[in-house]
Amino acid sequence: QSALTQPPSASGSPGQSVTISCTGTSSDVGGYIYVSWYQQHPGKAPKLVIYEVTKRPSGVPDRFSGSKSGNTASLTVSGLQAEDEADYYCTSYAGTNTPCVFGTGTKVTVL
Amino acid sequence: QVQLVESGGGVVQPGTSLRLSCAASGFTFRNSAMHWVRQAPGKGLEWVAVISYDGSNQYYADSVKGRFTISRDNSKNTLYLQTNSLRAEDTALYYCARPHNGGYHGGLDYWGQGTLVTVSS
Repeated sequence: QSALTQPPSASGSPGQSVTISCTGTSSDVGGYIYVSWYQQHPGKAPKLVIYEVTKRPSGVPDRFSGSKSGNTASLTVSGLQAEDEADYYCTSYAGTNTPCVFGTGTKVTVL
Repeated sequence: QVQLVESGGGVVQPGTSLRLSCAASGFTFRNSAMHWVRQAPGKGLEWVAVISYDGSNQYYADSVKGRFTISRDNSKNTLYLQTNSLRAEDTALYYCARPHNGGYHGGLDYWGQGTLVTVSS
């Protein structure tokens, strides 16, 4: 049950795009479509922004998009806004005995 | 509206136990798997455990296996986490969360506000 690997930090100016990677193995990210992304502001509970690699829950702006290639999933935030500054975590299903494994987290800074 | 409200956290000594609760409302609790996720102070999110909709199956992170037990009472719309043999490294904010599709692998679309467990001598 090793954590998925994310870069510790990412940044961009308002209006720009930032992409965060989430690297696992063929036993988790590479093996299933069940990759999700969460946004967490300080002192708040996480918020689901992407599920099943590419799908957005109702109410999440289309500036948030997800993709996957091999064992690496990615979250792209386009048209960065000040409120996008937060921690972001990926998760993946990794089989029946490990239904959920989280990534190490990425702090996104809006410059 | 969906609400998840955790309770039961506190300050305890190493080796002792706590039972955490999560009261659910606003959805058909008995139809959904449920998760516990924790976050140590200043650290990232860590999945802890999941239970099937009917309580017949439970799965745990290696870090808590054999010490923690997840359970549910569908008649009370309540999820539980029995935490035994607590260690300093179990100090964290414990969240309950609901998968959007009710299954084990669904994205977690509703979270509680968390209950804080502090293990210290």
